[in-house]
Amino acid sequence: DTGVSQDPRHKITKRGQNVTFRCDPISEHNRLYWYRQTLGQGPEFLTYFQNEAQLEKSRLLSDRFSAERPKGSFSTLEIQRTEQGDSAMYLCASSLTRDLSGYTFGSGTRLTVV
Amino acid sequence: SQQGEEDPQALSIQEGENATMNCSYKTSINNLQWYRQNSGRGLVHLILIRSNEREKHSGRLRVTLDTSKKSSSLLITASRAADTASYFCAPRENSGGSNYKLTFGKGTLLTVNP
Repeated sequence: DTGVSQDPRHKITKRGQNVTFRCDPISEHNRLYWYRQTLGQGPEFLTYFQNEAQLEKSRLLSDRFSAERPKGSFSTLEIQRTEQGDSAMYLCASSLTRDLSGYTFGSGTRLTVV
Repeated sequence: SQQGEEDPQALSIQEGENATMNCSYKTSINNLQWYRQNSGRGLVHLILIRSNEREKHSGRLRVTLDTSKKSSSLLITASRAADTASYFCAPRENSGGSNYKLTFGKGTLLTVNP
């Protein structure tokens, strides 16, 4: 395991299209988080999984966003009917239940909606 | 969950100088974590300090925690150009159902000039 992997690194899409991002966490980490970050801002929490259960979804997240983590391994984040305001860096992180060593972040997926 | 507020928002120093960044938070914490983010990349966990610790060192990093003032500081000694990055603090709340996720502020943008 070399860390948290995110795919793709970059995505350019037209407004109204659907996009899906993938995150592969560190295999022994049972917690997985999605964040969104825009320029000059800190990462903003989107949602969180413990194993396969999605335990919280940010109120800022519209119904166009959905995330899954089947079998408690990799996770996908889908955005339907993308809008220009969705343009951002989408970051995935994973951790153990007891975050004695903090979160491990992936390099992110940069989404540009044109 | 609560977020930390980093100060200053931006800091520019010369290579070899020390850099100090501060973090304030509002409620009781279990631990406080510092992260670094290079431009266009994911966050990297630097150090975690528990609420019963007052100071912690890791290489050129020194973190202090004052729970009575609800504040922390990150000192980078003998800075290098490669230390140029944004730095975020993330306080982990002590109790409550949402203490599993970290919330980030806007960070401190450190520029180390060669």
